[in-house]
Amino acid sequence: GQNIDQPTEMTATEGAIVQINCTYQTSGFNGLFWYQQHAGEAPTFLSYNVLDGLEEKGRFSSFLSRSKGYSYLLLKELQMKDSASYLCAAMDSNYQLIWGAGTKLIIKP
Amino acid sequence: DGGITQSPKYLFRKEGQNVTLSCEQNLNHDAMYWYRQDPGQGLRLIYYSQIVNDFQKGDIAEGYSVSREKKESFPLTVTSAQKNPTAFYLCASTTLGDTDTQYFGPGTRLTVL
Repeated sequence: GQNIDQPTEMTATEGAIVQINCTYQTSGFNGLFWYQQHAGEAPTFLSYNVLDGLEEKGRFSSFLSRSKGYSYLLLKELQMKDSASYLCAAMDSNYQLIWGAGTKLIIKP
Repeated sequence: DGGITQSPKYLFRKEGQNVTLSCEQNLNHDAMYWYRQDPGQGLRLIYYSQIVNDFQKGDIAEGYSVSREKKESFPLTVTSAQKNPTAFYLCASTTLGDTDTQYFGPGTRLTVL
């Protein structure tokens, strides 16, 4: 079956760095997406990886290893506004997204 | 100002009533999607459409219906056959053939009393 695993909740301190891991199993693979979702709001797109390696976008970076079925989202210089859920989604061979349940990130001062 | 709109943001209905949620986009996107989000679960696909007048069932289509008469619009009807309709409903759209990144509307929170 198709499956995405990511931690349910993580806590980090303002100004620190946090890494959110995601493992996936899909029928075929056409890319890995990360979205941010604040409570009560819609998900917003953060990053897309289809090739192995690290993609950097300001304070956020995303890494992919296709051979290991593994990705992580790295958030640097954490700010209070980064408190949100982070959703990992893998695109299968039919170009459908398989979604993880999300990781709730709590930032403490 | 391009984007995806959903209305209303909050919707209350009595059990046994059908209700239609609207989704409109002016991004000229080809494909549109409806998801349902429940606490502690990933997004689940209800229906999607890649072209006007055509749509496909997702993983949890039972109790829902859609139409795609115009490229810009993809309304979702939650019928009385849906056993547990209270949820957060999200509409998304994308241009096919690139990264297929999906962009979301603000969502409609439906509560059935």
